[in-house]
Amino acid sequence: SYVLTQPPSVSVAPGKTARISCGGNNIGSKSVHWYQQKPGQAPVLVIYYDTDRPSGIPERFSGSNSENTATLTISRVEAGDEADYYCQVWDSSSDQYVLGTGTKVTVL
Amino acid sequence: EVQLLESGGDRVQPGGSLRLSCAASGFTFTYYAMSWVRQAPGQGLEWVSSIGGNDGGTYYADSVKGRFTVSRDNSKNTFYLQMNSLRADDAAVYFCARGILGGSFDNWGQGTLVTVSS
Repeated sequence: SYVLTQPPSVSVAPGKTARISCGGNNIGSKSVHWYQQKPGQAPVLVIYYDTDRPSGIPERFSGSNSENTATLTISRVEAGDEADYYCQVWDSSSDQYVLGTGTKVTVL
Repeated sequence: EVQLLESGGDRVQPGGSLRLSCAASGFTFTYYAMSWVRQAPGQGLEWVSSIGGNDGGTYYADSVKGRFTVSRDNSKNTFYLQMNSLRADDAAVYFCARGILGGSFDNWGQGTLVTVSS
């Protein structure tokens, strides 16, 4: 089955840039979606189809996807960005959704 | 405004059964696939099952295939997850989510807690 691998944690100072990777075999050929989840809350979609932002999501959130790695980038990080982040794809070979292992972003 | 409201979470013994419901409002229900995603305590998100909009095709994670059944009642704007032969590792918060099949989950409910314990 298809596997998505994320770093367990990323630490970043306020105002700096956080980059969260999502590794998968030839993930560049798939559409990647990203979710933010704060403690005790439901996940929120922050990036869909690799690079698109839903309405209400700040421009500071951006995405890219190439070859074997997709990346969520958070620019000018704020304290409110502290959360868990998950990547997700649809694996058409098995007709299953796959979610990444999750990355905890800590704002120093 | 899109609203998704889960219900049915409870404490059940291993081997038992439970049916979760997700009532939807604020959008044309038949246009969208609906999914269940779960999160065990302190763990990450795990996709469980999805059901297509009009065609009602069903999809399952390997971990629940043969034990769980997803269904929907478009006349009630509600979809369900029938969970049988429950195991300790099924214990989790179960979220319902809306999306286009094969795409993203663009709206989520607040979740309902399932506890499996004797």
